[in-house]
Amino acid sequence: GQNIDQPTEMTATEGAIVQINCTYQTSGFNGLFWYQQHAGEAPTFLSYNVLDGLEEKGRFSSFLSRSKGYSYLLLKELQMKDSASYLCAVRDGDYKLSFGAGTTVTVRA
Amino acid sequence: IAGITQAPTSQILAAGRRMTLRCTQDMRHNAMYWYRQDLGLGLRLIHYSNTAGTTGKGEVPDGYSVSRANTDDFPLTLASAVPSQTSVYFCASSDSGTGEQYFGPGTRLTVT
Repeated sequence: GQNIDQPTEMTATEGAIVQINCTYQTSGFNGLFWYQQHAGEAPTFLSYNVLDGLEEKGRFSSFLSRSKGYSYLLLKELQMKDSASYLCAVRDGDYKLSFGAGTTVTVRA
Repeated sequence: IAGITQAPTSQILAAGRRMTLRCTQDMRHNAMYWYRQDLGLGLRLIHYSNTAGTTGKGEVPDGYSVSRANTDDFPLTLASAVPSQTSVYFCASSDSGTGEQYFGPGTRLTVT
């Protein structure tokens, strides 16, 4: 099975940077995903890492260290619309995802 | 339609009743999934299907059943609903080659 931990809540100011950490312990690893979920809506895909290192997509970046069982999602130049829950998910060899409980990010003006 | 649709959007159901949640995708994805999302617990996998004609159990399968008669449809059935099945249910699909999952809009189910 998978054990995935991420902080419950984070607060940051508009224009700032926030880093959301995710640690995992897995019985099989085949990639790590980050999803964004606004309140009352479905999760939407943000990023995917399967090899160690940093993946950058505009204001969002995601990092993976497989040896440490660690990932982070970096949100730069925060905007009010970035207020949402961010879900870390680990994929196993059967393409099933196990999700962390999510980190609620609140962006303040 | 484009993507994944779910029906109904929300439902209030008496305990003991049978209920089927519908999920349809038009992306020709091989794999489909059902999750439930509860406050503080995140998304938990109920059942999945890697291809039409096959299904598998996820983390929390008890009290639920699924079928996958074709590529597009993946209904979830609660044979006899109980209050602990009150949750938001999300259907998802993926192209098994990439693994990125696309989610439907969800069904909010309340069992009284």
